[in-house]
Amino acid sequence: QSVLTQPPSASGTPGQRVTISCSGSSSNIGSNYVYWYQQLPGTAPKLLIYRNNQRPSGVPDRFSGSKSGTSASLAISGLRSEDEADYYCAAWDDSLSGGEFGGGTKLTVL
Amino acid sequence: EVQLVQSGAEVKKPGESLKISCKGSGYSFTSYWIGWVRQMPGKGLEWMGIIYPGDSDTRYSPSFQGQVTISADKSISTAYLQWSSLKASDTAMYYCARHEGTTSPDYWGQGTLVTVSS
Repeated sequence: QSVLTQPPSASGTPGQRVTISCSGSSSNIGSNYVYWYQQLPGTAPKLLIYRNNQRPSGVPDRFSGSKSGTSASLAISGLRSEDEADYYCAAWDDSLSGGEFGGGTKLTVL
Repeated sequence: EVQLVQSGAEVKKPGESLKISCKGSGYSFTSYWIGWVRQMPGKGLEWMGIIYPGDSDTRYSPSFQGQVTISADKSISTAYLQWSSLKASDTAMYYCARHEGTTSPDYWGQGTLVTVSS
């Protein structure tokens, strides 16, 4: 059972905007940066968003992150078929003195 | 270019020991934490622990404390994950990943598949 809570699934049609939520607590999201990863089938996770809302070079600006209090969200606009993947949030947890991942959200592009 | 290159897939029997590796390049290996992440078949990502190669400071998730050992050899820019006695439930993909401080990973290795079966 993950400390960070994500919906197990999300879906959208091409061109739509989809958001994925990540809920935590004061010891993780509330006091540390949130990171987001995309994992395509059979591949290693790839960093999408770091430090709550920063995009690494090469990540399209269709992907954006936000954080408010003990929750965070990943938004994907202009949905494309190649966005179909698993998405994970992550944050350091001060109580555990370690990292935590959300359970993951499987995004389906209809 | 930052790269983390992991050792190849392993097939082991229950009770055997194993040490897998992760070699970093393209950055100062002693200035970043290196962590390990487990992904069991069809499941999500689990944070196992991290090590700071500069001084070998190591942190473990409570779920993995005592089950694995994380180490590093800064002279060859390589981090390790080892088991003294494998179980079938250790069958999983294991990723190493660089951490910018005590935060979450940025760069990831390609993964090492460990299969434990009698």
